[in-house]
Amino acid sequence: DAKTTQPPSMDCAEGRAANLPCNHSTISGNEYVYWYRQIHSQGPQYIIHGLKNNETNEMASLIITEDRKSSTLILPHATLRDTAVYYCIVRVQGGSEKLVFGKGTKLTVNP
Amino acid sequence: DTGVSQDPRHKITKRGQNVTFRCDPISEHNRLYWYRQTLGQGPEFLTYFQNEAQLEKSRLLSDRFSAERPKGSFSTLEIQRTEQGDSAMYLCASSWGGATNEKLFFGSGTQLSVL
Repeated sequence: DAKTTQPPSMDCAEGRAANLPCNHSTISGNEYVYWYRQIHSQGPQYIIHGLKNNETNEMASLIITEDRKSSTLILPHATLRDTAVYYCIVRVQGGSEKLVFGKGTKLTVNP
Repeated sequence: DTGVSQDPRHKITKRGQNVTFRCDPISEHNRLYWYRQTLGQGPEFLTYFQNEAQLEKSRLLSDRFSAERPKGSFSTLEIQRTEQGDSAMYLCASSWGGATNEKLFFGSGTQLSVL
């Protein structure tokens, strides 16, 4: 079973920041937080991951709370092409553990 | 683009027939994963390979399902005696396993419809 909880859906206006929350209250000390997204009719796409520090790349920022029990994925300037299902996953880094997907959050970016 | 390639993109078959899907991973990747996804659900893990060795199989993978990865390159997923419940998107992903920043790269999937 997935170890994360996400809202089933969210809306965001084009050009505004999209903040997607994720709860992972049972996360272990060696588990990383990963985010993937899936645009309709495509396979999931890696976005970002982190352990405890905030991370940023060209796609998004990841903010992890100090107790690591929750995180937020931030898309700073959402576009219509960011409409997708976003999955938050916790996983041990470098091991043999597979990615376990939940149902994710369906983000709809509106014009 | 040398991403993960899956063939075919779509497959329609009749109940009871056998089907085979192919996945070509990114060439330097040693791990290859198969997932299945039904409408409204996240991808469900089926099995994965490290090189040619099949290291884990989900209990979802019944005896009718078999996967191979000869020579640690491409992989095939075969479903024998298909049932309507097998209708789903079958996704393949590859990665460089064991790396400190392992990321899975997914193909676009094979959509199976069993009539």
